[in-house]
Amino acid sequence: AQSVTQPDIHITVSEGASLELRCNYSYGATPYLFWYVQSPGQGLQLLLKYFSGDTLVQGIKGFEAEFKRSQSSFNLRKPSVHWSDAAEYFCAVDLLTGGGNKLTFGTGTQLKVEL
Amino acid sequence: DGGITQSPKYLFRKEGQNVTLSCEQNLNHDAMYWYRQDPGQGLRLIYYSQIVNDFQKGDIAEGYSVSREKKESFPLTVTSAQKNPTAFYLCASITGTANTGELFFGEGSRLTVL
Repeated sequence: AQSVTQPDIHITVSEGASLELRCNYSYGATPYLFWYVQSPGQGLQLLLKYFSGDTLVQGIKGFEAEFKRSQSSFNLRKPSVHWSDAAEYFCAVDLLTGGGNKLTFGTGTQLKVEL
Repeated sequence: DGGITQSPKYLFRKEGQNVTLSCEQNLNHDAMYWYRQDPGQGLRLIYYSQIVNDFQKGDIAEGYSVSREKKESFPLTVTSAQKNPTAFYLCASITGTANTGELFFGEGSRLTVL
């Protein structure tokens, strides 16, 4: 079945440590790929996106993500986490099946930052 | 400032009652979406509309209805037919038909069925 998988439900890191959040997708072709962030009780905000070209994409708030076609992955990274990064992170794909932008979201990874 | 406004932020309803969630945007976006969020399940698409007076079912449309009479507005009605309506509902919009992927989200409405 076609899906977006975020294998880590919860992750805890210390402030200043590096972060990597995993995302895998299982589709025949390369979809458009996105990472969104959600603060508690809020809507989602786009961090970054990959359509084509350079497989390392830069986003807002110091985040970056790398697309690896061979692994069907689009992992999110940050070299040094700040306490304000504590939030829930969602990977999403657009299957480009036509009919407008229809994103499929992963189940999310809850990030906790220890001071 | 432009954005998406959802109301109410919190809503309580008794079983068997219909309830309508409001979503208004002043971004001049063409397409609007309704997602449902449950813990551990991510976001699931309920309905979406690419143009006024037209909308399509998403993955979990049963028990919900929508209308798109104005470009700015895309209200969602949770009907009594929805078996498990307690959830966090998110409205989003995007401009045009380009697959830019940058959905703009409202702050959500939390519905609790008592």
